[in-house]
Amino acid sequence: DAKTTQPNSMESNEEEPVHLPCNHSTISGTDYIHWYRQLPSQGPEYVIHGLTSNVNNRMASLAIAEDRKSSTLILHRATLRDAAVYYCILAPLPIQGAQKLVFGQGTRLTINP
Amino acid sequence: GAGVSQSPRYKVTKRGQDVALRCDPISGHVSLYWYRQALGQGPEFLTYFNYEAQQDKSGLPNDRFSAERPEGSISTLTIQRTEQRDSAMYRCASSLERAGGGGYTFGSGTRLTVV
Repeated sequence: DAKTTQPNSMESNEEEPVHLPCNHSTISGTDYIHWYRQLPSQGPEYVIHGLTSNVNNRMASLAIAEDRKSSTLILHRATLRDAAVYYCILAPLPIQGAQKLVFGQGTRLTINP
Repeated sequence: GAGVSQSPRYKVTKRGQDVALRCDPISGHVSLYWYRQALGQGPEFLTYFNYEAQQDKSGLPNDRFSAERPEGSISTLTIQRTEQRDSAMYRCASSLERAGGGGYTFGSGTRLTVV
């Protein structure tokens, strides 16, 4: 499984943008980049995923470097509810729609009021 | 159902006993995954199914762990002869079949404590 590298922790202020980096220098051409987050005492929650192009949804944006060796999850305006552990995961090409996700340690994001 | 349902929410068992953990995925979700999570760690992949077929069981720690999904819906993770090191949160997730992949939905988990 291709590995990702994330900072252990980050801190930001409420109502400011947050950029969460992820390095994946060994990514293969068919690996998808997934982001999940886990709020305290809850299960992981899907945030966003992409392959090559930048992606936007109601939760966040995903910016993927041209060489695909890194990506950044962008929370445009952080709230206290965004405090969580954020996981960047590489997943292989889906088999019948299923992708095995291997979670690392993630980045613990703290939001200051 | 509206979400992924796991039961029981909490299970305390004595070392050496067998336990069965149940997962009821979102209706229509083809793929079902099992993870376990120790405190302060990320989820650890155990196994997954497409319909009733177990596609990958490489994450099962040893032969005391097994999983089944006989009718392609509800799944059971069974741990035989439990040991204290099996204590963890066991999480189930399901996903739709999509050509480009997509998001998993996780259940609330079963907290297993082996005493």
